[in-house]
Amino acid sequence: EADIYQTPRYLVIGTGKKITLECSQTMGHDKMYWYQQDPGMELHLIHYSYGVNSTEKGDLSSESTVSRIRTEHFPLTLESARPSHTSQYLCASSEYSRGGGYTFGSGTRLTVV
Amino acid sequence: DAKTTQPPSMDCAEGRAANLPCNHSTISGNEYVYWYRQIHSQGPQYIIHGLKNNETNEMASLIITEDRKSSTLILPHATLRDTAVYYCIVRVGAMDSNSGYALNFGKGTSLLVTP
Repeated sequence: EADIYQTPRYLVIGTGKKITLECSQTMGHDKMYWYQQDPGMELHLIHYSYGVNSTEKGDLSSESTVSRIRTEHFPLTLESARPSHTSQYLCASSEYSRGGGYTFGSGTRLTVV
Repeated sequence: DAKTTQPPSMDCAEGRAANLPCNHSTISGNEYVYWYRQIHSQGPQYIIHGLKNNETNEMASLIITEDRKSSTLILPHATLRDTAVYYCIVRVGAMDSNSGYALNFGKGTSLLVTP
C-alpha cells in the first residue's frame, strides 16, 4: 500500500515545455527528497526539504526547482524541459520514528523529445 | 558519511540464504548501517538498519561485526522476487534533528536469484 504518491507515472513532453512532477505523502513525514536516476545508473539526490518552507539543493546539480508549502506536498518543476532532462525522478520521505528509513514513491519516468 | 564497499554482483540459488557483504571501515560511532533494495527501477525499499547489535525483521537479518567495520545482510530463503540491487548505506541517525543528511545510495550489489 503506497503512502507516497507520484504523478504522472510516465510523461512524454516536447522541448521547451514547463512541467511539474507531483509528489504527495500521507504519513506526516517532515523530510522529503527528490532523486534522479538514469536507466541502470545510480540514484542522485537533486533536492531535499526538512519541512515547510525549507528546500535545499542536493549533490547533483539540477535545473529543476522545488517548493514545500505544505508538509504533505513536494512538487518539482522544470521551467523549460530539454532532452537532457529525460530520466526517472523518484520522490521519498522520511521520519524519525523508524530511524530515518525512507519511503519512496513509484517514480515519474520523464521523456523530453 | 562513511564510505561503503560492496561487490558489484552476486548470484544465489532460489531457496538458499543470500549473504550480502558490506565494508564500512571508516564508520563513526554515531553512524547507522542501512540496507535498501531496488527492484527493476522501482523506488528503493527500506529493508533494515542497525547501529551495533544484530537486527532481524520479517524481511532480513543484519549482522554487524563487533568492530562495526563490516556488516552482512542475510535473506534467509531467497526467492526470485528478491532479485534486485541492494544498497548498503552508512549515515548518522535521523534522531539528530540537525543532521539533515540524505541517503547516498552508491552502486550497490546486483543480486540475481536463480531457479
